[in-house]
Order: sequence, then C-alpha cells, then structure tokens
Amino acid sequence: QKEVEQDPGPLSVPEGAIVSLNCTYSNSAFQYFMWYRQYSRKGPELLMYTYSSGNKEDGRFTAQVDKSSKYISLFIRDSQPSDSATYLCAMSSQAGTALIFGKGTTLSVSS
Amino acid sequence: DTAVSQTPKYLVTQMGNDKSIKCEQNLGHDTMYWYKQDSKKFLKIMFSYNNKELIINETVPNRFSPKSPDKAHLNLHINSLELGDSAVYFCASSPTQGLSGGYTFGSGTRLTVV
Repeated sequence: QKEVEQDPGPLSVPEGAIVSLNCTYSNSAFQYFMWYRQYSRKGPELLMYTYSSGNKEDGRFTAQVDKSSKYISLFIRDSQPSDSATYLCAMSSQAGTALIFGKGTTLSVSS
Repeated sequence: DTAVSQTPKYLVTQMGNDKSIKCEQNLGHDTMYWYKQDSKKFLKIMFSYNNKELIINETVPNRFSPKSPDKAHLNLHINSLELGDSAVYFCASSPTQGLSGGYTFGSGTRLTVV
C-alpha cells in the first residue's frame, strides 16, 4: 500500500459545480496536510494548509482532515474554468521532513 | 522577488553527459529539497537537506548528488545521464518550525535526455 493514495481522475465538471477531491493515507504520524494546485508547466503552489484534524475554509475552498479515518478532502465551490489544474494532496509528519505527495487529480472545469 | 528560483528552466542533453541544476531560496528557510516529477505528474522526494543533515532517498541512484554551499542554495549534480532521467525536477524549501506557509516550490527544470 502506498503511503498516500489519490484518484488521478481525470475529473470533468461544468462551471459552477461543487468539486470534491480526496486522499487517503497509511502513516498515522502525518500531522501536516496540504493541498497544492499545479497548472501545466508550472510549479506546485500551496492552496490549503491544515495542521492535525479539522476543517479550514478559504473563499471557495474548504479542506477537511479526519485523522481517525486517515482521510483528507478538498472541496471547491462554484468551480471556475480557472480552477482547471492538477490538485495534489501532500502531507508530512513534522516540519523540515519530506512532504509526501499523492499522485494528483487532474480537474477540468468547462464553461 | 522569486522565493525559490532554479536554473536552468530547460535542459536538453545527450546520454552520458554530466549536468547540474541550481536552486536558491530567499525565504530564510533552513531545509531544502529536490523532487522529481515523472510524466504522470507524480512528485517524488529525492533529497532533503538542512544545515546539519543530508537525507537521501534510497531509491535515488548514486549518479545524483546534492551539494549545498550554504543554507540558501541546494544544487543537484547528475553524472552519466540516462534516458530515464528525463523528468521535471523541482527544488523546494520549508522552515523547520511552523508550516502555515507550506513548502515553497520553484518553477521546475525540465530535463530531456536524448
């Protein structure tokens, strides 16, 4: 079993849809959870950061972490064509250690 | 302005050559990383390095060697390049305390071995 599992998609939705992206993990030591967005031929950029369990909201984006289930989610409300990108979940056990990534989910939002 | 910068952006070279990729960060972070992203977009850690310790991913061939002249720079040297080394290489940095800003990535070096 890989440390971090993420459905690669692709996922295609119409503009305005609610998007749900998910990752599961096996290492119970993970406590820092992040979502990165990567546009084609660009570097990953941090979208959401969560420490330990809980929810975090930032505009149209909501990140959820359930450590008991080893499951994290990213919700995108009112999706826009500009949200079309690859979304990568990532996690680490402590600051200054390697960030472990899921394989990324490719999202396409059509207008 | 650029937080993590890496050069070159593109690198095309022949098999058997030796090449280097440079990375610099101006965020004051004390840990830096090299990641490899394959054609399926999977980002895999190669090395992490801070002032005190180099951590090598055991799956990385020893043709790859990181070199850090100071904590703001982490270069990647690759000997005897092979076709399978073609990928995008990302440099990243992070603090060792407090991660609210996440790990910051450079824009990548697209290496093509022909």
